[in-house]
This record gives sequence, structure tokens and C-alpha cells, in this order.
Amino acid sequence: DAGVIQSPRHEVTEMGQEVTLRCKPISGHNSLFWYRQTMMRGLELLIYFNNNVPIDDSGMPEDRFSAKMPNASFSTLKIQPSEPRDSAVYFCASSTGPGRGDQETQYFGPGTRLLVL
Amino acid sequence: KQEVTQIPAALSVPEGENLVLNCSFTDSAIYNLQWFRQDPGKGLTSLLLIQSSQREQTSGRLNASLDKSSGRSTLYIAASQPGDSATYLCAVKSQRGGSEKLVFGKGTKLTVNP
Repeated sequence: DAGVIQSPRHEVTEMGQEVTLRCKPISGHNSLFWYRQTMMRGLELLIYFNNNVPIDDSGMPEDRFSAKMPNASFSTLKIQPSEPRDSAVYFCASSTGPGRGDQETQYFGPGTRLLVL
Repeated sequence: KQEVTQIPAALSVPEGENLVLNCSFTDSAIYNLQWFRQDPGKGLTSLLLIQSSQREQTSGRLNASLDKSSGRSTLYIAASQPGDSATYLCAVKSQRGGSEKLVFGKGTKLTVNP
């Protein structure tokens, strides 16, 4: 398996522009997670999906952020409009899903490094 | 709200030394605790997962322990090598607030000098 795939790997954009990050989870995994990593705040969960349904979006910072999972093999995280404070590394992760709460782990993609000028 | 703290934030050791990384968490109601490794510019790789009913897990030169009642975990690395240089993150899966969520510490950046 190729693991979790994210694109683009790097994104530089100007303030006010729309940014779309993409993720392909591991085949057969039922849960998908979007994280943001910054030096100040560390790694924070933004939102997660189970069977393509958003379960917890309490970490989404504000209405400028939105995430979708139209099918089991694809998800997007969109920022519109982008701001300099959104600069961070965004990770996507997937797992086999609930039901094995004490045993299952998450598999992370390589991340998208976003810089908003 | 679960909070995870890792000490120290950075550690530099000579090759061959044994070392311990520390992790503490505020809420003992957890499903498991995991240690991840992150290399620069890369994603996270799971190293060890300790279920809430377990006390420790071992993989090669790595040994992780869990004391749930005191809210502490340690990652022991034996005979460190330059290839061990990376950031190590601790994460707990809390029983409260949703069974899927991982809460991460900010990590310990380890440098092993040849």
C-alpha cells in the first residue's frame, strides 16, 4: 500500500486566496483525520470523519475552514480566504476506525507545508 | 480537557548513550498511549502503542512504559544512534470527548551526536 497520500506537498499563496489541500487515505480505512502543526501550538486535530461522515469538527478554527469527504478514498480541506496565520503544516491521517479503541493507531501522510504571504 | 506535556523539549546526547523521554497527561481515562517519531519534513510514524491495561511495550532498542494512575509514560532508547535523531511525540487517546481523538504533546527533539 502507498500509505496516506497528500497533495500538494508545498503551497505558497497570497493572503485572501483560496487554498485546497487533498488527501487519499489508506484503502480500507474507515476514519480520516485532518491535523495542523505549528511551532506554537504543536499538532492539533481539526476534524475527523468516520465512514465519510464528519464526526467532530470542534477543532476547525473558524468558518474560513471547511472539509469534505465525498467518498471513502478522497478528502479535501479548504481555506477561503487564507490568512498569514494559517501558515502551518497540515497532516492527513487514516485509521481502521472505531471499535478497537485501545488497539488501533493512525497512519499519517507526509503533510502539506502551507505558507500564506 | 486532556493535556499532554513532554519534557524535555530538546535533548542532545553522544552516540551510544541510553536515554529517557518523558510524557505526562492530565486525565487518566485513556484507551491507549502512543509514541510517534517525526523526521524533518516528514509525517509521523507510530513506534509503540500501549493499551490502557498494559504497563509497557518493547520494540528493538525502544521500551515504553505507562503508569496510568500517575499520568506518566516514558520512552527508553538504549544504545542511541545518530539515526535516532528525530522529534518524538507522545499522544493519548482519551475515553472522554470521542473515542477517535488523539491528543499530542509538543514533542522532544532528540539529537544523537556521532
